[in-house]
Amino acid sequence: NAGVTQTPKFQVLKTGQSMTLQCAQDMNHEYMSWYRQDPGMGLRLIHYSVGAGITDQGEVPNGYNVSRSTTEDFPLRLLSAAPSQTSVYFCASSYGRLSSYNEQFFGPGTRLTVL
Amino acid sequence: LAKTTQPISMDSYEGQEVNITCSHNNIATNDYITWYQQFPSQGPRFIIQGYKTKVTNEVASLFIPADRKSSTLSLPRVSLSDTAVYYCLVSGSARQLTFGSGTQLTVLP
Repeated sequence: NAGVTQTPKFQVLKTGQSMTLQCAQDMNHEYMSWYRQDPGMGLRLIHYSVGAGITDQGEVPNGYNVSRSTTEDFPLRLLSAAPSQTSVYFCASSYGRLSSYNEQFFGPGTRLTVL
Repeated sequence: LAKTTQPISMDSYEGQEVNITCSHNNIATNDYITWYQQFPSQGPRFIIQGYKTKVTNEVASLFIPADRKSSTLSLPRVSLSDTAVYYCLVSGSARQLTFGSGTQLTVLP
């Protein structure tokens, strides 16, 4: 299994540009989520999904859109990039909701810089 | 939301046991306590999870007192490769996930 994969690894955008960060998992996990990590800080939840067709907002959802058309994929879209979105983005997946006993598997991250 | 408090940093020497304590005074009845490890430029990696008392796996132990307002991650005989940031996570529903700033553990030779 490849686990959780993310593309691209690095990206530089100009303010106002749009792009999609890709995330895929091959473990048949129901739950997927996106986090951002800023220097010296912990991860903050952006959006999450508990299954195909179901998404919800996390702690910092503004400026980001998500969709979940399949179990495997959970792309994160930036419609109009802003410098404040410069960060490292991590995608994660797990078997089910974190209120039960399970672990999250994280991807390698995408380092995004918005100029 | 169950907020967690951890020491910002800790130093240890190779071969020693390291204990990192996390405070979570507002933990809810259905919350689990989970610890993750993160190396630079990598995603966090699950270490251990527990609800109460003691949990042990091949890499760590987790001690949770009866009131569950704190927990202690114990790493036996650390090595240089254990230098990383360690996060304590109290997990209720998906919307209540909070990683915090973590504890930077530095293992010295």
